[in-house]
Amino acid sequence: TQLLEQSPQFLSIQEGENLTVYCNSSSVFSSLQWYRQEPGEGPVLLVTVVTGGEVKKLKRLTFQFGDARKDSSLHITAAQPGDTGLYLCAGSSGNTGKLIFGQGTTLQVKP
Amino acid sequence: DARVTQTPRDKVTEMGQEVTMRCQPILGHNTVFWYRQTMMQGLELLAYFRNRAPLDDSGMPKDRFSAEMPDATLATLKIQPSEPRDSAVYFCASAMGHPVLDTQYFGPGTRLTVL
Repeated sequence: TQLLEQSPQFLSIQEGENLTVYCNSSSVFSSLQWYRQEPGEGPVLLVTVVTGGEVKKLKRLTFQFGDARKDSSLHITAAQPGDTGLYLCAGSSGNTGKLIFGQGTTLQVKP
Repeated sequence: DARVTQTPRDKVTEMGQEVTMRCQPILGHNTVFWYRQTMMQGLELLAYFRNRAPLDDSGMPKDRFSAEMPDATLATLKIQPSEPRDSAVYFCASAMGHPVLDTQYFGPGTRLTVL
């Protein structure tokens, strides 16, 4: 069974601080996605990474896919209260489009 | 602004009652997913369809859950009979069907409480 473990589970920081969320697995994935979910809403895709070692930047967010395509990280620079939410990583293997989700990291950024 | 819609948004019912949740995928999307989200288990895939045909329902308790797509604009998830442990938020998502680079668009969810 493929599993994705996210850490930390909870993170509470002050505005302006940097943070990194990790997503690890013993399985290889063909692609990995990061989603952000706000209360009362469904997850919204932030980024998809498909190549081992790939780094993608989205404003203050930097996403990295591990060389072996088993892990990923999300780094936020100078966090803002608007970044508060649940961050989910999700891996896809094969060509089914089926995703395995991590448990999520709840981020709270205090003003 | 195309989006996935789900009804009802909230449902409170008593144990043993039948519950039906509905989802309208984004027009033109050929893949529909049903997920369940709880604090303990996180987001779990229950079933998914491509071109209205069920591809995988291994995540779904088959004795009480059933999922169908009567047509391309409607997906349903039914629980009969419902139990308190079914309390969760149920999400529907739709996608274009690209095998690797697909984006799943999630609906707002149905919050189910079974008393």
